[in-house]
Amino acid sequence: GAGVSQTPSNKVTEKGKYVELRCDPISGHTALYWYRQSLGQGPEFLIYFQGTGAADDSGLPNDRFFAVRPEGSVSTLKIQRTERGDSAVYLCASSDRASGPYEQYFGPGTRLTVT
Amino acid sequence: GENVEQHPSTLSVQEGDSAVIKCTYSDSASNYFPWYKQELGKRPQLIIDIRSNVGEKKDQRIAVTLNKTAKHFSLHITETQPEDSAVYFCAATRDDKIIFGKGTRLHILP
Repeated sequence: GAGVSQTPSNKVTEKGKYVELRCDPISGHTALYWYRQSLGQGPEFLIYFQGTGAADDSGLPNDRFFAVRPEGSVSTLKIQRTERGDSAVYLCASSDRASGPYEQYFGPGTRLTVT
Repeated sequence: GENVEQHPSTLSVQEGDSAVIKCTYSDSASNYFPWYKQELGKRPQLIIDIRSNVGEKKDQRIAVTLNKTAKHFSLHITETQPEDSAVYFCAATRDDKIIFGKGTRLHILP
């Protein structure tokens, strides 16, 4: 079946602009995660959804970052007043807690470049 | 919170030899330890995982070991092949927030 998909694959924006990154999880997966990966680093946890609610948003770096999952499927990560330090690959993952509580399957990522 | 340290950062092995990557974690409550392989420009792919009630797990040429007392876990790849070249990440979690190590770049030399 289809895996996790993310759009856009690349996003270039100017400093100070607003961006939205979208994640489509594997169908039926109830848990959805956002990570950020800077060059040469491992993925860094941002936020986790179980259903529609954010179960853990402790990784969001500041209040410029916000994520929603209104219908418990697609999620959008929103970044306001972007800064050059926000440049990274933003990864989404999903998990089916019914069959394998911890296996997370990653999407291809969105490469965000803030100029 | 959890902290995961991974060594070495770079590893070169001759094709056919074995490769070992080692990780330590800080939160004794962590109970799930996945390993991911990431090729250049691609997404991380889960290659093997181990839960805290198991000391060792093997899948063909890949094995993981876990020492809960010492809070160490390791990835072993035997009979390495060129397609094993990639960055490998260890990770630990006690809930759904996976904490990753910084990665090991594995080079398989011909």
